[in-house]
Amino acid sequence: GQQLNQSPQSMFIQEGEDVSMNCTSSSIFNTWLWYKQDPGEGPVLLIALYKAGELTSNGRLTAQFGITRKDSFLNISASIPSDVGIYFCAGRKTGTASKLTFGTGTRLQVTL
Amino acid sequence: GAVVSQHPSWVICKSGTSVKIECRSLDFQATTMFWYRQFPKQSLMLMATSNEGSKATYEQGVEKDKFLINHASLTLSTLTVTSAHPEDSSFYICSARVSRGRGETQYFGPGTRLLVL
Repeated sequence: GQQLNQSPQSMFIQEGEDVSMNCTSSSIFNTWLWYKQDPGEGPVLLIALYKAGELTSNGRLTAQFGITRKDSFLNISASIPSDVGIYFCAGRKTGTASKLTFGTGTRLQVTL
Repeated sequence: GAVVSQHPSWVICKSGTSVKIECRSLDFQATTMFWYRQFPKQSLMLMATSNEGSKATYEQGVEKDKFLINHASLTLSTLTVTSAHPEDSSFYICSARVSRGRGETQYFGPGTRLLVL
């Protein structure tokens, strides 16, 4: 099935640094969701975006719904060790019976 | 957020046996749930959409007779892997659709790891 392109594939950063990742598609989406998955667990919803251009924050996390509706961005400020994990974007298109298309994932590793 | 549980969290079975996985919405009703599978170091792949009171809809390439889905109540969907084989070993994750004022989202269960020997 289709997957969204996520970049970077992995990141190795130092504690305290800011992190940026993005998700792109050739198709238009009407909803963008960002999830974090820890090893052996299910994804946890971080931020939901429903409108083109929308900028939403959740603590140190900020996500944006791209104007073209074909991309989304997630930023993490002042990273801490517990930010380690895999971040997935997911998009929903109109008329797809609520199905989500997932990104390929960004693996984040944080050093002290 | 909405809470979704799965049971069991892990299961080991012999080849040829059937395994049932339960997905429950704990504090809300879910007319629509989804079943995904995830292989190591890969993303989630949608297997099927589970609709309360009606037949599930399967994604292309997913055998409906192999992966039986039953959504008999507004808080429970089950996935049965029939005649499991080693290639069915994977991480199975369910989610429930939640509609709130601004739009829809999905909340995920903790996953079930299946190992078929």
